[in-house]
Amino acid sequence: QVQLVESGGGLVQPGRSLRLSCTASGFPFSLHGMHWVRQIPGQGLEWTAYISYDDSNKFYADSVKGRFTISRDNSKNTVFLQMDTLRPEDTALYFCAGVAEPYTMITPLEYWGQGILVTVSS
Amino acid sequence: DIQMTQSPSSLSASVGDRVTITCRASQSISIWLAWYQQKPGKAPKPLIYKASSLKTGVPSRFSGYGSGKEFTLTISGLQPDDFATYYCQQYSGSPYSFGQGTKLEVK
Repeated sequence: QVQLVESGGGLVQPGRSLRLSCTASGFPFSLHGMHWVRQIPGQGLEWTAYISYDDSNKFYADSVKGRFTISRDNSKNTVFLQMDTLRPEDTALYFCAGVAEPYTMITPLEYWGQGILVTVSS
Repeated sequence: DIQMTQSPSSLSASVGDRVTITCRASQSISIWLAWYQQKPGKAPKPLIYKASSLKTGVPSRFSGYGSGKEFTLTISGLQPDDFATYYCQQYSGSPYSFGQGTKLEVK
């Protein structure tokens, strides 16, 4: 069955960095684009970043552009989110998600991890 | 950027009721709209793709409709398991924006 497991979250001070990882299994990871979506506790879903299956396209929400970097290692079935210059407002549960259809960018989010909590506080 | 406006933000209903949630896009997204259900502490669960295509395994009491800028999610004959928060999301292009969510509560 499909599994996505996030890791790397925790408590970090404002201005510092953190790198999230998400390791996938059960679907052909190297053919599918991947997203990160975050959710402040008690609030709605906020799309955060996307990377295409072949690393040729990356997109970011304005709120994280220039501070966060998405990347992937298809040999390890893993997608990363490097988060730099963290702010208290980045505190959220971060989900990784794989898209439904291979190759294309116009495809919904199908496979979801359980989420990992990032807390930015001094 | 495409903005997604979802309404209502909350909804009270009883088991057996029929409810409809609306999602409006700030510009046309054709049929590239998905609906997700989320329960507290859990990841979102996909329900509907391409505005009206029910994901395999999702009960037929869920239905989606629309194209262009206006979309609806209808649940006919609410079941206890349906009380949750529902989100629409456009995937026509970046940023892949979500609606604000609709919390469906027991009346």
